[in-house]
Amino acid sequence: GENVEQHPSTLSVQEGDSAVIKCTYSDSASNYFPWYKQELGKRPQLIIDIRSNVGEKKDQRIAVTLNKTAKHFSLHITETQPEDSAVYFCAAHLPGYSTLTFGKGTMLLVSP
Amino acid sequence: DSGVTQTPKHLITATGQRVTLRCSPRSGDLSVYWYQQSLDQGLQFLIQYYNGEERAKGNILERFSAQQFPDLHSELNLSSLELGDSALYFCASSVRGASDYNEQFFGPGTRLTVL
Repeated sequence: GENVEQHPSTLSVQEGDSAVIKCTYSDSASNYFPWYKQELGKRPQLIIDIRSNVGEKKDQRIAVTLNKTAKHFSLHITETQPEDSAVYFCAAHLPGYSTLTFGKGTMLLVSP
Repeated sequence: DSGVTQTPKHLITATGQRVTLRCSPRSGDLSVYWYQQSLDQGLQFLIQYYNGEERAKGNILERFSAQQFPDLHSELNLSSLELGDSALYFCASSVRGASDYNEQFFGPGTRLTVL
């Protein structure tokens, strides 16, 4: 199966700064990498995803990059705002398995 | 609102008891996934059903079981409950459930407290 490691476990930034969260995966055959945002007491919600045939994807202030050689992918949030404060989970999908393997999450705190 | 519903929202019970959590997937989704999220823990995959059949199993204890009914709703049964079973239990659904991956939509969760 797949194994996903996520760093850091907590990240504190000032409003307006950038934040980067990194994940590594173990199986080079993994082909889909979503990122979920979970606000306190709420459900995880997909915020951006990337497939293995793409190196980078952007959606307004968030972007995801994928380095298949190094088997890692990162979430970049620019111009952070207090409402970006949440736990962010990365995940990987391995073909042949119908499930996702999640990282342990990063708690992002954005101070005004 | 993801379209996935879960009941109840909160459940408080005692050790040794049995509870049933219910999930209704989005209209048209055939796959249901169950996850456990303990304090300071990530999302632990428990089990997946696709169109009524078990498709994948994760770290699900033998005391736990699940099923998916003909109308595609799913139930997660937790028995002989222990204090450590206290957690947030999420259900997610997706259109398909095969190796061709597609997005999972999460329900609001059921918070289980075992006293």
